[in-house]
Order: sequence, then structure tokens, then C-alpha cells
Amino acid sequence: QSILTQPRSVSGSPGQSVTISCTGTSSDVGAYNYISWYQQHPGNAPKLLIYDVSQRPSGVPDRFSGAKSGNTASLTISGLQPEDEAEYSCCSYGDTHIYVFGSGTTLTVL
Amino acid sequence: QVLLQESGPRLVQPSETLSLTCSLSGGSFTPTTTYFWAWIRQTPDKGLEWIGNIYYGEITTSNPSLRRRVTVSLGASKSVLSLRLTSMMAADTAVYFCARGVVGSRGPGWFDPWGQGTLVTVSS
Repeated sequence: QSILTQPRSVSGSPGQSVTISCTGTSSDVGAYNYISWYQQHPGNAPKLLIYDVSQRPSGVPDRFSGAKSGNTASLTISGLQPEDEAEYSCCSYGDTHIYVFGSGTTLTVL
Repeated sequence: QVLLQESGPRLVQPSETLSLTCSLSGGSFTPTTTYFWAWIRQTPDKGLEWIGNIYYGEITTSNPSLRRRVTVSLGASKSVLSLRLTSMMAADTAVYFCARGVVGSRGPGWFDPWGQGTLVTVSS
């Protein structure tokens, strides 16, 4: 089972926007609109940020947005804040009832 | 508020079987069409890796790379979620999470919330 490809790290200054990509295949990201994103601060459990490509759970700021084009999903964080510094992972449903996660991206707020 | 908590051994010998349990407060493992239950692990090298799910209390799906070695189950009383992983090796050293899966209105869902995770080390 392949891992979805994410950049190892991204960075931005407070107030700026950053986008994290998540590239899969036509058997997962490209085939289904069941993409979720998770935020994880060191030592903590992952927290759901986005589901169904672009839906935000209640309590998640609208600074976080998701999209998908072809085999690539993306998470955009606008108006960066210091507390956004964390690891971000994508997840996709795939063929044969499996789930596949991304390799994770470390966001640094400069 | 739903809270999940993993428990089990911190150290496992190579070739042995790992048995982890996950307890739930603020909710129930009673089978529904809205929720399923999952095990996910995390290593520094590979990040998060899905292990397997259990639906309706008995139907399971699992990662093809682990399928021959993994069993996900709910206890007979449906009060605890269990993971069994046989033939443990160094590459299985990871933080193991249990999580609730949520079935969306349009189909397969997402994982929310997660337990805090438990570090399992495979070493002699």
C-alpha cells in the first residue's frame, strides 16, 4: 500500500498563507472525494481539520480550507498564526475499502 | 465528549504477538451505521499508517500490508476495542492509536476523535 506524497516541510510568516499538497493515485485521491486532513501538535493525538475534501468540522476556523484536483488534494491555511505550527497529514479512502495516509508535513511559522 | 484510551505493553519481543485494547468513555462501541472503529499507527519514518477498521461490530477491513498478521475486534460485551498483531518485528515499533470512524452522508468517512496513543517498542 503506497503512502500519499506530501512535502516534508513548509513554512510561512504570521498572516501569510501556505498550501500543503497531497498526491495519490487514480485508485485513491483521484477516485474518491473522501479526503481528510489532520493536525498534530507534538505529543498530542491527531485532530480532524477537514473531511470530504473541503468540509470543516464545527470549531475549526475557516482559515483552514481543502480542495482537490485530479490525483492531488491540498490544504490551505490562510492568516497563519503561531499555533498553526504542527504536523499535517492527509488521508484518502481507496479502492478495496482501504485508507491511506500521507507522509506528513511539518509546518513552521517563522 | 467521546474519549478513547489505548492500553497494552510498552515493550514486545521480536516474533511475539502484540495485544492492545482501547477503552471508550462518553460513548459506546455498540454497532451503528454512523460509526466504525479503527487502529492507526505512527512512525517517524512513515508517518501515519492505517491498520484496520471494524464495522457493525464484526465486519473488518485491514491494510493489505498487514492483513496476514492483524486482527481487529470488539469484545463479546462490545465494551472494548482490541488489536492483535502477530509476528512483531522492529519495523512495527510505533505509536498505536485507536480512533472512531465517522461515516459521512456521502459514504466512507474520517477519523474523529483519536486516543492519545501508546508507544510500542519491539526489542529483545
